Amino acid sequence: GQQVMQIPQYQHVQEGEDFTTYCNSSTTLSNIQWYKQRPGGHPVFLIQLVKSGEVKKQKRLTFQFGEAKKNSSLHITATQTTDVGTYFCAGFSGGYNKLIFGAGTRLAVHP
Amino acid sequence: ETGVTQTPRHLVMGMTNKKSLKCEQHLGHNAMYWYKQSAKKPLELMFVYNFKEQTENNSVPSRFSPECPNSSHLFLHLHTLQPEDSALYLCASSRPTGWENTEAFFGQGTRLTVV
Repeated sequence: GQQVMQIPQYQHVQEGEDFTTYCNSSTTLSNIQWYKQRPGGHPVFLIQLVKSGEVKKQKRLTFQFGEAKKNSSLHITATQTTDVGTYFCAGFSGGYNKLIFGAGTRLAVHP
Repeated sequence: ETGVTQTPRHLVMGMTNKKSLKCEQHLGHNAMYWYKQSAKKPLELMFVYNFKEQTENNSVPSRFSPECPNSSHLFLHLHTLQPEDSALYLCASSRPTGWENTEAFFGQGTRLTVV
């Protein structure tokens, strides 16, 4: 079945440094979604990318969908302590509404 | 508040108990999901329901039994669980695939401890 792989598993940065997490799928995705889970919280939807090569920005967050629609990245510029949490990518597998999540990247930001 | 409500928030049960987790959404979604989140594993998809019909059972042991009486409610019935089943159980809902926006809305989760 489809697998969604995400790296790194964990990264800690100094406040103000940049951060990037990468997501790779074993199959072509119709779209890719990104979620953020704060410590002790539940995953919250951030964005969905649909088109090949699509780039979307949300303030300091930049999301990119690969040309082959098999990989994606999330880049955070000048991290802040509020960015702490685990970032997940997710894609639909072959089954109807089978939303598969990557393992997540846990981000720690030191002031 | 995501519009998806899970109860209870915390549950401690013995291995011989029977309990049920409840999930409710009034977002008009027709797809509902159960996920398991353990400390050392990623979000694991357990079950998917579309329009009240189960469309996915991700090789989940029979001690977990889902029920979807209507598109707004989803249950997870638990019996004779094992300590390794202790985890955060998350319910989510979304529009069905084929719609433009299919993001999943998660509940707060039920933190389950099996003793």
